[in-house]
Amino acid sequence: QLQLQESGPGLVKPSETLSLTCTVSGGFINIRSYYWGWIRQPPGKGLEWIGSIYYSGNSKYNPSLESRVTTSVDTSKNQFSLRLSSVTAADTAIYYCARHAYYNDRSGHFVSRWFDPWGQGILVTVSS
Amino acid sequence: DIGLSQTPLSLAVTPGQPASISCKSSQSLLHSDGKTHLYWYLQRPGQPPQLLIYEGSNRFSGVPDTFSGSGSGTDFTLRISRVEAEDVGVYYCMQSIQLPPTFGQGTKVEIK
Repeated sequence: QLQLQESGPGLVKPSETLSLTCTVSGGFINIRSYYWGWIRQPPGKGLEWIGSIYYSGNSKYNPSLESRVTTSVDTSKNQFSLRLSSVTAADTAIYYCARHAYYNDRSGHFVSRWFDPWGQGILVTVSS
Repeated sequence: DIGLSQTPLSLAVTPGQPASISCKSSQSLLHSDGKTHLYWYLQRPGQPPQLLIYEGSNRFSGVPDTFSGSGSGTDFTLRISRVEAEDVGVYYCMQSIQLPPTFGQGTKVEIK
């Protein structure tokens, strides 16, 4: 059974960089038909997609965050990572990693599908 | 970004009774290949979201048949035929026909 687990600091200072890692177990990260994504949820609020990465390193980002987001993948460790720079209190949230299904349509364009499974999430608080 | 509007935002249901949640999209979610990119998730308290319905009306693996999804274009519905205590949580619709994938505001379902 595929499982994902987020790890990283739970507290980050304003203007610094948030760094998280997702470790995948029960399956391999270097498989076709799946990207690996990050989604966040401010406490008591809704869900926001941050970005997703393919095992080859190809990434897709939410335009609202793209200028501050970097994702990377380490297939040897079956992990992928998120970096979010210049954080503010508005970046305080539970950060989830998830497997992101997709396909390429007849024109070869990326078409997103679902996120499943998800990790348990990690609360990251931005505060001095 | 494509906007999704869910109604109602909260719902209290007697066990064994049905429940229905609506999700309206600001754009059609029908892809030229015939797939409809509307998904339903349940987030139980303290848990991550779990996928219930994919591509409008398909139950995901392991999801009980008390859950069903319907709709087309811009209007979609999630139905629970008989609500049980374990169905409590927040239900989200999500679109993925266009990046970024976006989520509805969520509908909180409680037991009366």
